[in-house]
Amino acid sequence: DGGITQSPKYLFRKEGQNVTLSCEQNLNHDAMYWYRQDPGQGLRLIYYSQIVNDFQKGDIAEGYSVSREKKESFPLTVTSAQKNPTAFYLCASSLQGYQPQHFGDGTRLSIL
Amino acid sequence: LAKTTQPISMDSYEGQEVNITCSHNNIATNDYITWYQQFPSQGPRFIIQGYKTKVTNEVASLFIPADRKSSTLSLPRVSLSDTAVYYCLVGDEVGNTGKLIFGQGTTLQVKP
Repeated sequence: DGGITQSPKYLFRKEGQNVTLSCEQNLNHDAMYWYRQDPGQGLRLIYYSQIVNDFQKGDIAEGYSVSREKKESFPLTVTSAQKNPTAFYLCASSLQGYQPQHFGDGTRLSIL
Repeated sequence: LAKTTQPISMDSYEGQEVNITCSHNNIATNDYITWYQQFPSQGPRFIIQGYKTKVTNEVASLFIPADRKSSTLSLPRVSLSDTAVYYCLVGDEVGNTGKLIFGQGTTLQVKP
């Protein structure tokens, strides 16, 4: 079945440590996205990529970094500069633009 | 980007039809209207998308009046498993790829 796979499902970070969240899709979608969701809130866009080797900042990019070396993969690194990283992180993909986004099941990041 | 306003919460009973209305007064000519459903600790799932008039699929209908300043998601004969958060979004494909705004959504509680 085609879909989006996020791993790990749960992740713990120590103070001052960078962690990388994985996102892989086999839907042959060009566009991929990373969102952050805090309890009781909607999703906020961190980064998005419309094509390989290109990506743009979303509304809350500070403290995060991404890469898009392959069409299928869009990993997100939460750096030590992100002072409040505890959240639910969601990856999505779409064919193009306004096309509906398909989401993974998320990674829940907590601080030790 | 057009901002959306929807009720924070709604209650219903099994077997009833549920209508959730979303206001988007500043919708632009190129904007589409998309609805997503989200269960706890899961990624949002696409429900339906439309541009004008009425769209129907196997799970829902979307009604959009001529002025497009609002839209109504209609869920026929809801069941307990329809208890979830429902998000209304507007966005276009040109220049704003991926920059959809997720608000707090509408939490629908279906009771037996």
